[in-house]
Amino acid sequence: ETGVTQSPTHLIKTRGQQVTLRCSSQSGHNTVSWYQQALGQGPQFIFQYYREEENGRGNFPPRFSGLQFPNYSSELNVNALELDDSALYLCASRTGGEQFFGPGTRLTVL
Amino acid sequence: AQSVTQLDSHVSVSEGTPVLLRCNYSSSYSPSLFWYVQHPNKGLQLLLKYTSAATLVKGINGFEAEFKKSETSFHLTKPSAHMSDAAEYFCVVSAYSGTYKYIFGTGTRLKVLA
Repeated sequence: ETGVTQSPTHLIKTRGQQVTLRCSSQSGHNTVSWYQQALGQGPQFIFQYYREEENGRGNFPPRFSGLQFPNYSSELNVNALELDDSALYLCASRTGGEQFFGPGTRLTVL
Repeated sequence: AQSVTQLDSHVSVSEGTPVLLRCNYSSSYSPSLFWYVQHPNKGLQLLLKYTSAATLVKGINGFEAEFKKSETSFHLTKPSAHMSDAAEYFCVVSAYSGTYKYIFGTGTRLKVLA
């Protein structure tokens, strides 16, 4: 167990809807990153938050947004869902160089 | 820019035989390198990491990897495969350029035959 938890574990949405995924970081970790893992692919970096500010972003459109709270927990929000957004969404927390991953949220967009 | 290439998308070995999963990296900075394993419907588990200390890195479950700067490689090995090793393996490079960012390879699916 990494101490990183995510909710919900599974989610089904329809195209055009909005979704919020949640992540609780390991205690003391002030940095959280989010990844999208499509079926059969490696995880792709979405963005990273450090002390409530976004400080790194991958090649994802603005409809992917996030928040980090004072207790370092985090949310990933996706607006205007598309079929290709169906994936496993992973969050990872760290302080320093090593990341600890949560179990992921499986999002299905119909 | 950083990148990582996993040279085999699928590897099959017989139980009890050696495992070799190949990874080449590219990094403009002194990299940190990691191997993660992902079992079906599970999260990512860290097997081992290289962070500029010893070039031969030992990890969990009998896995090890050797950092070879001249070859820009970080191959994962295990002397004897076990059925429970069947999973997806990811090589990851991380370097600091304003922020740490993990770049994942496309993964190698390891199949262990009885």
